[in-house]
Amino acid sequence: AQSVTQLGSHVSVSEGALVLLRCNYSSSVPPYLFWYVQYPNQGLQLLLKYTTGATLVKGINGFEAEFKKSETSFHLTKPSAHMSDAAEYFCAVSPPEAAGNKLTFGGGTRVLVKP
Amino acid sequence: DTAVSQTPKYLVTQMGNDKSIKCEQNLGHDTMYWYKQDSKKFLKIMFSYNNKELIINETVPNRFSPKSPDKAHLNLHINSLELGDSAVYFCASRLQQGVTQYFGPGTRLTVL
Repeated sequence: AQSVTQLGSHVSVSEGALVLLRCNYSSSVPPYLFWYVQYPNQGLQLLLKYTTGATLVKGINGFEAEFKKSETSFHLTKPSAHMSDAAEYFCAVSPPEAAGNKLTFGGGTRVLVKP
Repeated sequence: DTAVSQTPKYLVTQMGNDKSIKCEQNLGHDTMYWYKQDSKKFLKIMFSYNNKELIINETVPNRFSPKSPDKAHLNLHINSLELGDSAVYFCASRLQQGVTQYFGPGTRLTVL
């Protein structure tokens, strides 16, 4: 079984400051890894994903994440926060095999950006 | 040009009623999902269909019955609604050989 832990249910950052959201996973095999963003009253939008290859992946809106197998982590960062980054962020994993490919989500981290 | 759409967006109903939520995708995907997001924002898979065939059923009460009339549609019917069914329900779709799931805008169900 897979599980995902997001450290910190709420993160508050100042506009222009670094955004760091932590994600650790548990899986018997290296899974596929995802970060999704949910703006208020909206669906989930994919920010970025890791499947294979380069462990540092870049996504939309200036976000990037690094897969560290030894630490079973996939932390999300953005060098400079913008007011529009205020949202809920979800880390998710799925098994690498194609069957089902269900996503297992972490509990989410709400980001508040202060002016 | 909506990719994954759900109707209705909001649904308020009384305990004991039966209701349906519809999902349609125009992405040409062949795998579709239902997820439930509870009041604490926790998201959990409920069902998945691939080419109209059920492939994931995650210990969901049998009051919930998904139906896929074709691979572009996946509907969710809920019988005898309970207070605990209040949540946001998200539909998602994926190309069978793909990795990324694309989510709909969600349906907020409130059971009174």
